[in-house]
Amino acid sequence: EVQLVESGGGLVQPGRSLRLSCAASGFTFDDYAMHWVRQAPGKGLEWVSGISWNSGSIGYADSVKGRFTISRDNAKNSLYLQMNSLRDEDTALYYCAKADSTGIIYPIDYWGQGSLVTVSS
Amino acid sequence: QSALTQPASVSGSPGQSITISCTGTSSDVGGYNFVSWYQQHPGKAPKLMIFDVSNRPSGVSNRFSGSKSVNTASLTISGLQAEDEAHYYCSSYTSSSTWVFGGGTKLTVL
Repeated sequence: EVQLVESGGGLVQPGRSLRLSCAASGFTFDDYAMHWVRQAPGKGLEWVSGISWNSGSIGYADSVKGRFTISRDNAKNSLYLQMNSLRDEDTALYYCAKADSTGIIYPIDYWGQGSLVTVSS
Repeated sequence: QSALTQPASVSGSPGQSITISCTGTSSDVGGYNFVSWYQQHPGKAPKLMIFDVSNRPSGVSNRFSGSKSVNTASLTISGLQAEDEAHYYCSSYTSSSTWVFGGGTKLTVL
């Protein structure tokens, strides 16, 4: 059974940094691309970033480019999102999500339960 | 990276069929067959219902079907059931090597 467990969320002041982690199990982690998707309270889904199986291909939404960095450690079956220069509008539930193949061109087929990030002074 | 356009809400009675549209551009929906649909119940994580425009993952009811014409993708749910009441989101790969979601559609089963 695919399991994706996010951690690292919390309350942070504007301008500060936070690092999210996602522990994956139930599948061969280094065979699949991974994504981060967020959902602001009461709002829709917003794709944030994706990374291919070997980190060779990475993409970011314009809203986070230059501030967020996605990475993965295949030896630890883990996905990360380093979030710098956080803004109020980054407040959201951040989902870790698995793609259904190696590249970020492939769709998301499984989602974690999310980690809540609140940016507020 | 503008969001794909979906109707804010649709409704139908049990047993009826409904269709949710998802309109993009030639740089996303129209340019790729990488269109997916997700169902999200309140307080839950999204669930994949359709991928690659019209394919169903195993375990998803055949009452759900997808299609695409030019820059508009559609999700059709036939034989509407109470459990189908949820938010539905489309998504598409884009020419910028990113993904974009639609704004979401709330389905109400009357």
